[in-house]
Amino acid sequence: GQNIDQPTEMTATEGAIVQINCTYQTSGFNGLFWYQQHAGEAPTFLSYNVLDGLEEKGRFSSFLSRSKGYSYLLLKELQMKDSASYLCAVSDYKLSFGAGTTVTVRA
Amino acid sequence: ETGVTQSPTHLIKTRGQQVTLRCSSQSGHNTVSWYQQALGQGPQFIFQYYREEENGRGNFPPRFSGLQFPNYSSELNVNALELDDSALYLCASSYGTPGEGGELFFGEGSRLTVL
Repeated sequence: GQNIDQPTEMTATEGAIVQINCTYQTSGFNGLFWYQQHAGEAPTFLSYNVLDGLEEKGRFSSFLSRSKGYSYLLLKELQMKDSASYLCAVSDYKLSFGAGTTVTVRA
Repeated sequence: ETGVTQSPTHLIKTRGQQVTLRCSSQSGHNTVSWYQQALGQGPQFIFQYYREEENGRGNFPPRFSGLQFPNYSSELNVNALELDDSALYLCASSYGTPGEGGELFFGEGSRLTVL
């Protein structure tokens, strides 16, 4: 089975940086995805890590350590529109999601 | 917009009834999967279809069933509805499975309320 943990909520100020951690214990692993989900909307793809290290994509970066079962999503230069739920998901033949981290960006 | 469309967007049923949810995959995608998302939770995997065959199932009872059609559209059927079935049902399509690095593209979901 899959056990995926991430914090429930985080709050940050506009322009700041926030790091969302995700730890996982899984029976199978083919990569780790991060998705963003605004309230009432579908999840949208942010990043995919299959090898250890940092993947940077604009204001968003994602890190993976397979030996530690650990990933983080780094959001830089926060904007109000970044207020959303961020979902960590581990892939084998399917995606297994964590419960999501609700990020609130304040002015 | 991902190109994955689901219908209906909202529906209300009563306990014991049956429901069919529909999904049209993004063009070129051969894999469709269904997820259930309860309020405040992450999506939970129901099952996945690849070229019209079920090739994976999560921890859901047999009253949850599905189909994938030759045009790669899909249906999710739930029989004997229970109150706990109230959730957002998400369809996702991809080219290949997530295990192959296939990115999932989600539809907007069908919100089911069971009274």
